Amino acid sequence: EAQVTQNPRYLITVTGKKLTVTCSQNMNHEYMSWYRQDPGLGLRQIYYSMNVEATDKGDVPEGYKVSRKEKRNFPLILESPSPNQTSLYFCASSLTGINQPQHFGDGTRLSIL
Amino acid sequence: AQKITQTQPGMFVQEKEAVTLDCTYDTSDPSYGLFWYKQPSSGEMIFLIYQGSYDQQNATEGRYSLNFQKARKSANLVISASQLGDSAMYFCAMRDGPYGQNFVFGPGTRLSVLP
Repeated sequence: EAQVTQNPRYLITVTGKKLTVTCSQNMNHEYMSWYRQDPGLGLRQIYYSMNVEATDKGDVPEGYKVSRKEKRNFPLILESPSPNQTSLYFCASSLTGINQPQHFGDGTRLSIL
Repeated sequence: AQKITQTQPGMFVQEKEAVTLDCTYDTSDPSYGLFWYKQPSSGEMIFLIYQGSYDQQNATEGRYSLNFQKARKSANLVISASQLGDSAMYFCAMRDGPYGQNFVFGPGTRLSVLP
């Protein structure tokens, strides 16, 4: 089954404790991206990747890191999480091109205390 | 910079009626794609419909259609014959850039279908 898999689905942690949210896709998509969703703001792009070893900042990259060492994986790293990073996070993937819809994972709800 | 505006934070519609969800966009690129996604209360993002900037016809997918008015930069979603299962958040999104690398979402509209 074609899918984007994120883990964990839920995480409660404390300020400053490094965490990684994994994302993996099995559709051989070049493009992958991370979003955070906050009430009233929609989804805002954190980082995106056009292909292996090619990442770029989105609209809200501060406090986040990503890597793309393999085509299928695109982990999101919070080196020193803070309470303002409490949010619902989505990973997505697609083929490149303006006509390609993104396929989303089921989301990760992060709470930073 | 790209921007998507959805001016209706919440909408109500009676079951079996049609409803229009508004979306306006702003981009300086001549080529772009417009998308609508549905997010039910379970949280997943479901792709509904796509419209390309050069498409002559309005897109349709089952009960969903897109009212595309390029000169007005609007891409409204029309849902015909609403069902209770249509109650959800709906997001308008735009993709542009030379490789489609820019993908921006609007703030969303919460649709509630009344029995």
